Amino acid sequence: DGGITQSPKYLFRKEGQNVTLSCEQNLNHDAMYWYRQDPGQGLRLIYYSQIVNDFQKGDIAEGYSVSREKKESFPLTVTSAQKNPTAFYLCASRDDLLGELFFGEGSRLTVL
Amino acid sequence: GNSVTQMEGPVTLSEEAFLTINCTYTATGYPSLFWYVQYPGEGLQLLLKATKADDKGSNKGFEATYRKETTSFHLEKGSVQVSDSAVYFCALISLTGGGNKLTFGTGTQLKVEL
Repeated sequence: DGGITQSPKYLFRKEGQNVTLSCEQNLNHDAMYWYRQDPGQGLRLIYYSQIVNDFQKGDIAEGYSVSREKKESFPLTVTSAQKNPTAFYLCASRDDLLGELFFGEGSRLTVL
Repeated sequence: GNSVTQMEGPVTLSEEAFLTINCTYTATGYPSLFWYVQYPGEGLQLLLKATKADDKGSNKGFEATYRKETTSFHLEKGSVQVSDSAVYFCALISLTGGGNKLTFGTGTQLKVEL
């Protein structure tokens, strides 16, 4: 089935550690996105990539890094510089023709 | 820049009640408008969309009409069910004014009780 796969679904991290969240899509979409969601709040854009080997900062990029070496993959690294990393992270890709975003199931990161 | 404003929740309704969740937007160009739904612990799923003025999107009994004159895209359902309990997000994309980014509202939580 076509879709977006995020892993892991749950992740626990100690303070000071970097962690990488995986996002893979087999929809052949060029554009991919990472959003952060905090309880009771909307989605905030961290990074996005419109094409392989290119990405741009979103509204809250500080403390995060990404890469886009393959069309199918857009991993997000939460670095130790991110002051409040505990959140629900959502990856998405966009259908160029329809304009809509397709989302993964999300990854919940908890810093202990 | 682009922005989306949704009514604050939570909205609590009895089963079979009528639902309206208000959404208004500010955008340059001619945006496409979307409603997404998020069930607890899951990602977002597209519920419906409209790509031009006066279009009506519909799915699973939900409807929303793209009103350019009032810059609105209100979500409605005639008879809600307990299974409709979720968070609903209004969103827009404007390729002329906002690049390739979707702009989301803050979400409205709907609770439906028996």
